[in-house]
Amino acid sequence: GAGVSQSPRYKVAKRGQDVALRCDPISGHVSLFWYQQALGQGPEFLTYFQNEAQLDKSGLPSDRFFAERPEGSVSTLKIQRTQQEDSAVYLCASRHTGENTEAFFGQGTRLTVV
Amino acid sequence: LAKTTQPISMDSYEGQEVNITCSHNNIATNDYITWYQQFPSQGPRFIIQGYKTKVTNEVASLFIPADRKSSTLSLPRVSLSDTAVYYCLVVSYSSASKIIFGSGTRLSIRP
Repeated sequence: GAGVSQSPRYKVAKRGQDVALRCDPISGHVSLFWYQQALGQGPEFLTYFQNEAQLDKSGLPSDRFFAERPEGSVSTLKIQRTQQEDSAVYLCASRHTGENTEAFFGQGTRLTVV
Repeated sequence: LAKTTQPISMDSYEGQEVNITCSHNNIATNDYITWYQQFPSQGPRFIIQGYKTKVTNEVASLFIPADRKSSTLSLPRVSLSDTAVYYCLVVSYSSASKIIFGSGTRLSIRP
């Protein structure tokens, strides 16, 4: 596709429910990033991949959060046993290699835990 | 990773030039300075990137002094549609490098 695509755009989950958020990066982009953005705050880094390798997951807030990118393209962020504090917009970005540092972001998935 | 500091908010009027300054005292040799813009309900969008001196594109200019410890994003003749949050980032050109956002500058443009 022309840009980074995220689905669903909106997700309402009951507390305790598991959710899976999908990211389709730009074709050929090596790096893929996940961020969590609370209302009025900047995006907080969660994790990133280079191809299928998860190089850094230091931003994942707890072991309820898990991300994968098994074939080096599509990525899924999974949140188990959701809690109200997980309510946020989850952003995905991808980036090509080389000296151009531009990352392309999707529109995000707004997760609301009730 | 170099930390950045920028004003929390700024106000200006349509037609004015707006300059947003960012400090990044611990910038490394391999780091680029990159600015993103974010509108409500959208993901951040790349505006401009530079290493040193001045860079200009169709949207903005980026001024970087010789010591690279700060940078200034310049938006010429702003309009209401430039109301957004602007983030200053320091990013390594290595593809194996995470991208970290700060709190950004909330720019409000008035008629």
